[in-house]
Amino acid sequence: AQSVTQLGSHVSVSEGALVLLRCNYSSSVPPYLFWYVQYPNQGLQLLLKYTTGATLVKGINGFEAEFKKSETSFHLTKPSAHMSDAAEYFCAVSDLTSSASKIIFGSGTRLSIRP
Amino acid sequence: NAGVTQTPKFRVLKTGQSMTLLCAQDMNHEYMYWYRQDPGMGLRLIHYSVGEGTTAKGEVPDGYNVSRLKKQNFLLGLESAAPSQTSVYFCASRRGQGGSYEQYFGPGTRLTVT
Repeated sequence: AQSVTQLGSHVSVSEGALVLLRCNYSSSVPPYLFWYVQYPNQGLQLLLKYTTGATLVKGINGFEAEFKKSETSFHLTKPSAHMSDAAEYFCAVSDLTSSASKIIFGSGTRLSIRP
Repeated sequence: NAGVTQTPKFRVLKTGQSMTLLCAQDMNHEYMYWYRQDPGMGLRLIHYSVGEGTTAKGEVPDGYNVSRLKKQNFLLGLESAAPSQTSVYFCASRRGQGGSYEQYFGPGTRLTVT
């Protein structure tokens, strides 16, 4: 069965610093992976997704993630944090064992930005 | 396109009252989902639908019912609200069964049961 684990429920970085949010997945088949962002009092919004092909995926707002099969990881990065990046971030994987086409979400990482 | 919309945005209920949350999508998506989000517990799937006229249970279905009479709408009902159902509820839709398809989320309904 597919699953995702997000390391760190809360990450704090200074404005302008590198953002690194960690996600590891478990899957018996090639995975489809997603990163979502949730700003305060809003729904989840897709940042980026990995399906097939290029392992470095670029998303919105300057974020990118690299699919590393050997490490079963899909970490999210941004070179320079901005105050507006403060939000909760969810890593997710498609549950390909389910006929319901569900997506399995990680528990989330709250990103805080220090001025 | 409005995407996924949810009605209402906020609601306060007393224990034992009933209500229906409405989710609508204008993307002609086959799959629709209801989640609840609670602090420290992430997103938990309540019910889902793989097409018009179909519904199925998710992880935490107790105390909720759903209906999908029209493809674009997915209703979540609480027959007798309990304080444990205080939560933020999100609806989502997905194009189809393909694993590469992402889910699109609504803005949420914040429900308080007193």
